[in-house]
Amino acid sequence: NSKVIQTPRYLVKGQGQKAKMRCIPEKGHPVVFWYQQNKNNEFKFLINFQNQEVLQQIDMTEKRFSAECPSNSPCSLEIQSSEAGDSALYLCASSQHRGGDTQYFGPGTRLLVL
Amino acid sequence: GEKVEQHESTLSVREGDSAVINCTYTDTASSYFPWYKQEAGKGLHFVIDIRSNVDRKQSQRLIVLLDKKAKRFSLHITATQPEDSAIYFCAASKPPVNTGNYKYVFGAGTRLKVIA
Repeated sequence: NSKVIQTPRYLVKGQGQKAKMRCIPEKGHPVVFWYQQNKNNEFKFLINFQNQEVLQQIDMTEKRFSAECPSNSPCSLEIQSSEAGDSALYLCASSQHRGGDTQYFGPGTRLLVL
Repeated sequence: GEKVEQHESTLSVREGDSAVINCTYTDTASSYFPWYKQEAGKGLHFVIDIRSNVDRKQSQRLIVLLDKKAKRFSLHITATQPEDSAIYFCAASKPPVNTGNYKYVFGAGTRLKVIA
């Protein structure tokens, strides 16, 4: 069973507000991934880190989304100015390796933007 | 880029029967294929995986088959139980070499219902 911790479980924001969610990866996992799962169960990869370094991110993440994985602190994903289309389940996963390996997912943060 | 197609959007089976979920992928460089189970309101729970160096893997009631030639992999759940009811997602990933692309590409999910 996954030991990835995500907080908060639920987040409700108004349009234009900031939304911040956190993730503590499994112990010993240096790689962290963030995905967005929409109501149609479609997954969108957002960003991933190895330790504190960004490995890969999509354009959406580069504009309104910011993320970091500071040393000795939880990783975080923040939406600077929430839009209705950002309403989704945000899943954090951690892994021992960059690619081609098992990613263990947390329970997710469900964001609702009103 | 990689596309993963999950062929069955819903699947209903009777308790004790087998369930089979099929996925196809497009990128021959993909080499790791995990399966996840998602219950209502929860995150993804890893169930089983297969790497491209084998064509079959079994873990208790779960069997994964990989046909690299057809770029197809499938999840077989034998002796199904009501608690197997959930949405199952397949995914594909590339090997951990410096391709710059480490993400999973997911299928659309199969909602499995096991009828008691």
